[in-house]
Amino acid sequence: DQQVKQNSPSLSVQEGRISILNCDYTNSMFDYFLWYKKYPAEGPTFLISISSIKDKNEDGRFTVFLNKSAKHLSLHIVPSQPGDSAVYFCAAKRGGGADGLTFGKGTHLIIQP
Amino acid sequence: DADVTQTPRNRITKTGKRIMLECSQTKGHDRMYWYRQDPGLGLQLIYYSFDVKDINKGEISDGYSVSRQAQAKFSLSLESAIPNQTALYFCATSKGSGALTDTQYFGPGTRLTVL
Repeated sequence: DQQVKQNSPSLSVQEGRISILNCDYTNSMFDYFLWYKKYPAEGPTFLISISSIKDKNEDGRFTVFLNKSAKHLSLHIVPSQPGDSAVYFCAAKRGGGADGLTFGKGTHLIIQP
Repeated sequence: DADVTQTPRNRITKTGKRIMLECSQTKGHDRMYWYRQDPGLGLQLIYYSFDVKDINKGEISDGYSVSRQAQAKFSLSLESAIPNQTALYFCATSKGSGALTDTQYFGPGTRLTVL
């Protein structure tokens, strides 16, 4: 049973516009949420994160929103740039240990010129 | 130089063969992880290690074993490879602060094909 779901396998956005990537989770024990970005032939790289006690975290062009009651988070990229084309993974973590991250299947973001 | 390196980067092997994937890190992190990614799926945790003396199974450990030879090295072994172990394998490290914000850093991956 998938605990972290990214229901859009791909998303195409015009350069300069906003990209919104969505993620839903089912496990209410998750305390911390992360977004990773992955280019072909490379490992995932950490992008931005948010704790369950917050509803928003911003870092430059990237903002993550968390709606805990809906078990939903989203990543906003404004403005979108060609270098943002990649696969984005949503991941979640329970507090209290290092038992790894639970990942979604990823969303392939394509920025159109 | 990369902080987390994996060798080999690509490997083709035959069913029944024993194979070892290696991971090294220069970040000085205590915690290390092995994940696998199948096409169209997210990463799944195979094993993780808090330190040299502490090894733990992840969600899909069957068919795999690991060895933490030193703080900087964590190896993944397939004792008898089978075709459905064909996947991308990623090693990751984290500082081990115990904090929720302890970020994991990933290696470049090993593409393994079992014929």
